[in-house]
Amino acid sequence: DQQVKQNSPSLSVQEGRISILNCDYTNSMFDYFLWYKKYPAEGPTFLISISSIKDKNEDGRFTVFLNKSAKHLSLHIVPSQPGDSAVYFCAASDTGGFKTIFGAGTRLFVKA
Amino acid sequence: GAVVSQHPSRVICKSGTSVKIECRSLDFQATTMFWYRQFPKQSLMLMATSNEGSKATYEQGVEKDKFLINHASLTLSTLTVTSAHPEDSSFYICSARDNVLGGLYGYTFGSGTRLTVV
Repeated sequence: DQQVKQNSPSLSVQEGRISILNCDYTNSMFDYFLWYKKYPAEGPTFLISISSIKDKNEDGRFTVFLNKSAKHLSLHIVPSQPGDSAVYFCAASDTGGFKTIFGAGTRLFVKA
Repeated sequence: GAVVSQHPSRVICKSGTSVKIECRSLDFQATTMFWYRQFPKQSLMLMATSNEGSKATYEQGVEKDKFLINHASLTLSTLTVTSAHPEDSSFYICSARDNVLGGLYGYTFGSGTRLTVV
């Protein structure tokens, strides 16, 4: 039972354009949502997060949108840069962050 | 920023031997650490939650006798893969939850350990 789903295994975007990575979840008890970026043979790096009481959080080129009614969140990267090429994991967490469930990841390719 | 050191980064061992992986939080205390396993082209699968001073909590399907976890201090958790077999070959990653910040700002992950059992 996949509680957090990232249905697109990969995404290719031209440099300078917007990258949109999507994530769906099934458990309405999740309280906190996070995006991690991962390069090969490295651990994930925290990127941005959003609380369930908000619908948008922005940090520089990265914006996360949350649609609670649809149980859907998305990460927007604009403008995309070649250095953004990595695997992006969506994660959902309970209150306090004691249990975090990760999606399968989406590999982003940003072409120069 | 918060740093988690994971060691070794890469290890090759013979089938039947045991391998210990260390996960240290360098500049914060972590009562709770997590161990993940990542298969090629797959997501991070939580193996167990490591609790300082008490027994680890294993996820369903993870053999606790095979994957021994010890969290003896607030800055160190170890994962020992006992009697390793080729199917245990994988990328193992730890993460730590800052006691002060909690999990609300994301966990800090180690850099991972590539285990190859030959």
